[in-house]
Amino acid sequence: EVQLVESGGGLVQPGGSLRLSCAASGFTFSSYEMSWVRQAPGKGLEWLSYISGGDSTTYYADSVKGRFTISRDNAKNSLYLHMSSLRAEDTAVYYCARDSTYGPSVYFDYWGQGALVTVSS
Amino acid sequence: EMVMTQSPATLSVSPGERATLSCRASQSFSRNLAWYQQKPGQAPRLLIYDTSTRATGIPARFSGSGSGTVFTLTISSLQSEDFAVYYCQQYNNWPPLTFGGGTKVEIK
Repeated sequence: EVQLVESGGGLVQPGGSLRLSCAASGFTFSSYEMSWVRQAPGKGLEWLSYISGGDSTTYYADSVKGRFTISRDNAKNSLYLHMSSLRAEDTAVYYCARDSTYGPSVYFDYWGQGALVTVSS
Repeated sequence: EMVMTQSPATLSVSPGERATLSCRASQSFSRNLAWYQQKPGQAPRLLIYDTSTRATGIPARFSGSGSGTVFTLTISSLQSEDFAVYYCQQYNNWPPLTFGGGTKVEIK
């Protein structure tokens, strides 16, 4: 059974940093591209970042470029999102999501349960 | 950036009725569109990809269509478990991947 389990969320002050983790199981993690998607309270979905399976090609949304860093450790079956210079508008539930296919088509067949990040003083 | 606009924002439908949700793209493309369902407190669930292909385990009452700038998700006969928020997502021109703002399907 495919499982994605996020951890590392919590309350952080504006300007602070936080690292989210996503533990993957039930599939060959290194073979799949992964992304982070967030959802602010009562709002829609926002894609944040993508990482390829092997060569670690990465992409970012403009809203987080230069502040957030996506990475993965295939030996540990884990995906990470390091967030810095956090702002109040970064408050959201953060989901890790698995890309259903290999190649240029990116849509998500499995999602974690989400980790809540609250940026507030 | 490709902007995805969903309408209506809220759709009130009686159980057993048909629901038609629209997703409009700011640029024309074909095929590279997915639909997700999200219930309160849950992660999104993939329903449709490549505009019209149902994901594994998705009932046949869900269907997708469209090309160009207008895409449609149709639920042929709404069941109680279908009341949720639905999002479209394009993957034709990325980064960034972009989602529509969502359509909430509520009980009439």
